[in-house]
Amino acid sequence: ETGVTQSPTHLIKTRGQQVTLRCSSQSGHNTVSWYQQALGQGPQFIFQYYREEENGRGNFPPRFSGLQFPNYSSELNVNALELDDSALYLCASSLSIANYGYTFGSGTRLTVV
Amino acid sequence: DQQVKQNSPSLSVQEGRISILNCDYTNSMFDYFLWYKKYPAEGPTFLISISSIKDKNEDGRFTVFLNKSAKHLSLHIVPSQPGDSAVYFCAASAYTGNQFYFGTGTSLTVIP
Repeated sequence: ETGVTQSPTHLIKTRGQQVTLRCSSQSGHNTVSWYQQALGQGPQFIFQYYREEENGRGNFPPRFSGLQFPNYSSELNVNALELDDSALYLCASSLSIANYGYTFGSGTRLTVV
Repeated sequence: DQQVKQNSPSLSVQEGRISILNCDYTNSMFDYFLWYKKYPAEGPTFLISISSIKDKNEDGRFTVFLNKSAKHLSLHIVPSQPGDSAVYFCAASAYTGNQFYFGTGTSLTVIP
């Protein structure tokens, strides 16, 4: 059991660029959720993927998109980066959509300049 | 629109004493609540949960109390230990939903 791993740990991008963040779920977990945590705030739900399909989305614009692969790893893509996208991005996986035992990764710290 | 609120950004407690962290919510559809602990440079770690059919759940030194009428929950840590120093987030979910709503966190410092 290796837990949830995210890459990269830190990233600096320029406004207008695109970024891809990656998450490797805990073994056996088929559900992954992505959260954005701005400085001084709690994590905010971006979306959830279950068996490669989007299964719910928070209040984020379409330039935030995701993918989940057959091995249940996933990606978060953000297009046309804005300064306000600077945040810690957390990935969390669970055994199923009905299981609330989410395991979080350590996150990717994105800075947009 | 912050549906889960933690109004105390920080709390300091002497080692061995009780730590009480509070959380309020506004959405009456919430029926499952969790507490997470977060150390710097790490992801949140699940601590304890409670469903709305209960008003108390205990796990070792950690107890969560739920007052549905007041839309309030609290986490009690007894006795507090220096290793408990971390940021604590409460989170809530509705049965029909698939996302958790997090509070802004309370930074607990346990003084040796």
